[in-house]
Amino acid sequence: SYELTQPLSVSVALGQTARITCGGNNIGSKNVHWYQQKPGQAPVLVIYRDSNRPSGIPERFSGSNSGNTATLTISRAQAGDEADYYCQVWDSSSWVFGGGTKLTVL
Amino acid sequence: QVQLQESGPGLVKPSETLSLTCTVSGGSISSYYWSWIRQPPGKGLEWIGYIYYSGSTNYNPSLKSRVTISVDTSKNQFSLKLSSVTAADTAVYYCAREMKGELRVPSALPKGSLRTQYYYYMDVWGKGTTVTVSS
Repeated sequence: SYELTQPLSVSVALGQTARITCGGNNIGSKNVHWYQQKPGQAPVLVIYRDSNRPSGIPERFSGSNSGNTATLTISRAQAGDEADYYCQVWDSSSWVFGGGTKLTVL
Repeated sequence: QVQLQESGPGLVKPSETLSLTCTVSGGSISSYYWSWIRQPPGKGLEWIGYIYYSGSTNYNPSLKSRVTISVDTSKNQFSLKLSSVTAADTAVYYCAREMKGELRVPSALPKGSLRTQYYYYMDVWGKGTTVTVSS
């Protein structure tokens, strides 16, 4: 089955840029979606189809996808961006989630 | 806007069947795929399966033998049943809507033409409900 690999944790200084990666075999050929989950809350879609932001998501959130790595980039990180982030793809008739990355804003 | 609400028992005994319902409000259940996802304590997200409003289903192969998802369009609800539960099924269970997007991509034939490619993503989630499996 298809596997998505995310770093367990990423730290970023307040106001700096955070990058969270999602690795998978030829992931660049797939549509990657990203979800943000704060403690005790449901996941929220922040990026769909690699680089598209749903309405209401700040422009500070962006995404890219090429080769074997998809990346979620959070510019000008804020304390409110602290959360778990999950990537997701559709493969072989199943949804697959990455293991999640805990973003800490220092 | 569309809202989803999960409901069902918070405690299920081992070997019994877990049953949950997701109620869709603020919109119709028609013309969408609807998914169930779960998250064990302190762990990541796991997709359980989806149902189309017409009733067609698709399940995670790792759970397929124990999962049944059904839909009741008259009530704007869809439901999850997970049989023979164990402590490993203890989790927060979420329901979610799958939104459809369209993309025009080059087609092999005829040369130079375009075809429509569809993709999906989960744009609306319920708040989740905690289910504990314990005697």
